[in-house]
Amino acid sequence: ETGVTQSPTHLIKTRGQQVTLRCSSQSGHNTVSWYQQALGQGPQFIFQYYREEENGRGNFPPRFSGLQFPNYSSELNVNALELDDSALYLCASSTGRPTEAFFGQGTRLTVV
Amino acid sequence: DQQVKQNSPSLSVQEGRISILNCDYTNSMFDYFLWYKKYPAEGPTFLISISSIKDKNEDGRFTVFLNKSAKHLSLHIVPSQPGDSAVYFCAASSASGTYKYIFGTGTRLKVLA
Repeated sequence: ETGVTQSPTHLIKTRGQQVTLRCSSQSGHNTVSWYQQALGQGPQFIFQYYREEENGRGNFPPRFSGLQFPNYSSELNVNALELDDSALYLCASSTGRPTEAFFGQGTRLTVV
Repeated sequence: DQQVKQNSPSLSVQEGRISILNCDYTNSMFDYFLWYKKYPAEGPTFLISISSIKDKNEDGRFTVFLNKSAKHLSLHIVPSQPGDSAVYFCAASSASGTYKYIFGTGTRLKVLA
């Protein structure tokens, strides 16, 4: 039991719509990272939040945005959905040091 | 530019034998390496990690070896069990800046009973 929970577990959206994914981090962790895992690929880093501030971003367009709240939970927002955004979105919480991060079960997003 | 590579997409091993999963990296700034295991419909589960100041780390049936000169690491599972059947991801991180992970594409391990 990692303590990292994501909601919803599955979601179907139409191209052009907007989506919000949520993540509740593990107790004691102040850092949340979001990853996108396309089929047959490894997870790819989207961005990271540390104490409510963005602390690094991967190669994703600005329509991918996020928030971290005072309780260290987090949201990932994606605007103007494209078919290629269909993927498993993973949230990982950590202490912010290079130790292991703990992942949630993911949200499977399908864009049609 | 794939900085972390897992060149074997799949591996089959008999129960009780050793499983060896390999990972290569290109960025010499990486100083922390991890292995995650992933079952279908679940998030990745942390298995074992190693810092670049070490060349070996053991945890029960799992051992990770790091060869910095070759930029290569491997995960050994001894003895392999059917419950080990999953996709294994190698990940690397740098202590400078964002502690993001760069993942390989994974190796699907099947342990045959």
